[in-house]
Amino acid sequence: SQTIHQWPATLVQPVGSPLSLECTVEGTSNPNLYWYRQAAGRGLQLLFYSVGIGQISSEVPQNLSASRPQDRQFILSSKKLLLSDSGFYLCAWTAANNQPQHFGDGTRLSIL
Amino acid sequence: QKEVEQNSGPLSVPEGAIASLNCTYSDRGSQSFFWYRQYSGKSPELIMFIYSNGDKEDGRFTAQLNKASQYVSLLIRDSQPSDSATYLCAVYNQAGTALIFGKGTTLSVSS
Repeated sequence: SQTIHQWPATLVQPVGSPLSLECTVEGTSNPNLYWYRQAAGRGLQLLFYSVGIGQISSEVPQNLSASRPQDRQFILSSKKLLLSDSGFYLCAWTAANNQPQHFGDGTRLSIL
Repeated sequence: QKEVEQNSGPLSVPEGAIASLNCTYSDRGSQSFFWYRQYSGKSPELIMFIYSNGDKEDGRFTAQLNKASQYVSLLIRDSQPSDSATYLCAVYNQAGTALIFGKGTTLSVSS
């Protein structure tokens, strides 16, 4: 069966520090991968998605970036965090377009 | 900007009642529709998906889709206190690549 791993579960970072969140999927090949952010009291905002290695689509302009160095690995990064980057970051995968997405446990990021 | 709209609630129902959650979407080209449940502090969990007009039933859950009216609903029969959560409606864009979420409806089931 397929599983998705996200880490760390919780992260506290100072403003201006870098960020790297990692997500890996097991038990499937060539998944579509997604990064979402959920700010307090707000809905899920799609940040990036990838349909293959090295293919990244950005949904919103921001100081974040994403990379997919391997088929089942998706990384969310920032060179300098802002206070507004606080939130609950979720990675998700799906087998193909229009198919259900399945979420990891998420990373709760607090910026001080 | 494609949108998915939900009433934020809270929707309060007594235990054993039917809870009805509604969602509208703006992209007429959307082909697939999903309901997720999210407990406080947790990640969303898929509970239903529907692709064709009409009803789809799974246990106590029924999803209803009306593409002409651009309307999706979720019925929860015999509601239990454990059903208390935020329910997210999600719709793919026409290309099927990006899932657009509503802001969610909070359901509270009282015992």
